[in-house]
Amino acid sequence: QAGLTQPPSVSKGLRQTATLTCTGNSNNVGNQGAAWLQQHQGHPPKLLSYRNNNRPSGISERLSASRSGNSASLTITGLQPEDEADYYCSAWDSSLSAWVFGGGTKLTVL
Amino acid sequence: EVQLVESGGGLVQPGGSLRLSCSASGFIFSSYVMHWVRQAPGKGPQYVSGFGRNGRSTYYAESVKGRFTISRDTSKKTLFLQMSSLRVEDTAVYYCVGERDAFEIWGQGTMVTVSS
Repeated sequence: QAGLTQPPSVSKGLRQTATLTCTGNSNNVGNQGAAWLQQHQGHPPKLLSYRNNNRPSGISERLSASRSGNSASLTITGLQPEDEADYYCSAWDSSLSAWVFGGGTKLTVL
Repeated sequence: EVQLVESGGGLVQPGGSLRLSCSASGFIFSSYVMHWVRQAPGKGPQYVSGFGRNGRSTYYAESVKGRFTISRDTSKKTLFLQMSSLRVEDTAVYYCVGERDAFEIWGQGTMVTVSS
């Protein structure tokens, strides 16, 4: 099943800004936008944002999401040690009638 | 407390069957689309199946179509996944997920291992 494309890893320094990217097509990201999830080792994923830049309650304002065409991005400012995790994008695919996920980006905070 | 609790995982031989259950509490179950998402060891999440709010719509990943069947009992606030003709590649942690706008609510998962 076709998935979304994410870079495998990103490394940034403490208090720096990281931008994670996600590329899909007009049936998924380009249609309804992307959701972003964070996963720490041994825990289930946690929703960070949906439909590009809507944040569930309790999610830090240091996180912001956006979309341009068939690509989405998640920007995390003022990186903290607890931001080190795996990040996944996901989108509803109207041609598959199913959600699709990216392969994930491992964010390392140096 | 908002909670999803999965059960029913275990070890099964290739070709076998298993039924997963997910019990919901702390939120209005009927207002959420409910999904199963799996994650193989060391891999990212993979969509499996979903059941709509309207009580009729179902969604399946291509890889499980014809083998898995999703159902929900709204009166008991429970989601099910009947899995048959299981393959080694179905081995994963299976998460029950609630969607109002996206994947807001996740359970802790139940492990399914398909091996001879």
